[in-house]
Amino acid sequence: EVQLVQSGAEVKKPGGSLKISCKGFGYDFGDYFIAWVRLLPGKGLEWMGTIYPGDSDTTYSPSFRGQVTISADKSITTAYLQWSSLKASDTAMYFCARLGLNSRYFDSWGQGTQVTVSS
Amino acid sequence: QSVLTQPPSVSGAPGQRVTISCTGGSSNIGAGYDVHWYQQLPGVAPKLLIYGNTNRPSGVPDRFSGSKSGTSASLAITGLQAEDEADYYCQSFDSSLTGLVFGGGTKLAVL
Repeated sequence: EVQLVQSGAEVKKPGGSLKISCKGFGYDFGDYFIAWVRLLPGKGLEWMGTIYPGDSDTTYSPSFRGQVTISADKSITTAYLQWSSLKASDTAMYFCARLGLNSRYFDSWGQGTQVTVSS
Repeated sequence: QSVLTQPPSVSGAPGQRVTISCTGGSSNIGAGYDVHWYQQLPGVAPKLLIYGNTNRPSGVPDRFSGSKSGTSASLAITGLQAEDEADYYCQSFDSSLTGLVFGGGTKLAVL
């Protein structure tokens, strides 16, 4: 069974750094793209970017390029989303999701990681 | 403002049929890119409901169906049930943005 398991909720102060994770189980991690998706209350889902763990090739949404860094370590079947300087506006739920093979839809999702940025 | 436009809310009584529209443009749905639909129940991760415009993953009831025409797509739910109360999102690819795009989401209320 395919599973994506994300790291737990985080509470951080503005200006701090953060790296959240998404570990894949039950499939060949290097063969499928992993995306990060933000859910803001009242604003819906937003695609942030995608990484191919096989070669770490990464694509960012124009809205998030330069704001976050997406990375992956195929050897431990884990993808990451990180911030170097958090803002209050980064407060949201973040999901990782797997793209179906040779497709542009998300066929499996992590459970979500709540990030709260507050002084 | 989302690239794909959905109604903020729809509602229906148990047993009824509802549809949710998803309107895009010439760089996404109108360019021939597939539309996919997700259901997000309260407090849990989204779940793939329809992929490739009309296809249901294994385990999704046939009460859910998708269609696409021109620059729009629709999700239809027949035989509405209380458990269908959720947020529904459409998703596609946009060639101008060179990326994946979502609709703003539609909250379905089962009256």
